[in-house]
Amino acid sequence: NAGVTQTPKFQVLKTGQSMTLQCAQDMNHNSMYWYRQDPGMGLRLIYYSASEGTTDKGEVPNGYNVSRLNKREFSLRLESAAPSQTSVYFCASSGGPPGRRGEQYFGPGTRLTVT
Amino acid sequence: GENVEQHPSTLSVQEGDSAVIKCTYSDSASNYFPWYKQELGKGPQLIIDIRSNVGEKKDQRIAVTLNKTAKHFSLHITETQPEDSAVYFCAATLRGGSGATNKLIFGTGTLLAVQP
Repeated sequence: NAGVTQTPKFQVLKTGQSMTLQCAQDMNHNSMYWYRQDPGMGLRLIYYSASEGTTDKGEVPNGYNVSRLNKREFSLRLESAAPSQTSVYFCASSGGPPGRRGEQYFGPGTRLTVT
Repeated sequence: GENVEQHPSTLSVQEGDSAVIKCTYSDSASNYFPWYKQELGKGPQLIIDIRSNVGEKKDQRIAVTLNKTAKHFSLHITETQPEDSAVYFCAATLRGGSGATNKLIFGTGTLLAVQP
């Protein structure tokens, strides 16, 4: 099992450009999440999807959109990138067996720079 | 809203010593408290977690304690080794999370350096 995979690993955008970050998991988890990580601020939840077909806002959703394409895939889109969106983005999933359902497993991250 | 404070921000110990990282949370409804280890350039990795109906949990050299009354929980690493060097994050569930969908609030991280 690959676990949680993310593409791309690195990306540089100019202000105003758009892009989509891709995430996939092969653990048959129902729930998926997008976080951003900034120095000194830990991880902050952008959006999450409790199950296929549903999405909800987290702490910092402004400037982002998400799509839960199917049970495996959850994408994050920046429609008009801004320098404040320079960050490392992590995707995670959860939904294992009873007793471990809430455990979140993270991907390797996408390092995004907006100039 | 929910807030999780983590201390210290940096911790340096000698190999073989113990390390303790402490977190406090504000939402009394929080019921799940995971700890993550993040190595440079990698995603966070779950190392241990505790639920609100348990006061302590241990896994080999790692233990977590929870004091619900005081709303704080701690990570204890004994017999530290150089490979324990990493950033450690605590987290707590945000009100509204349930079952398999845990909305987590993370602490700001502790950089642990184990000196050989």
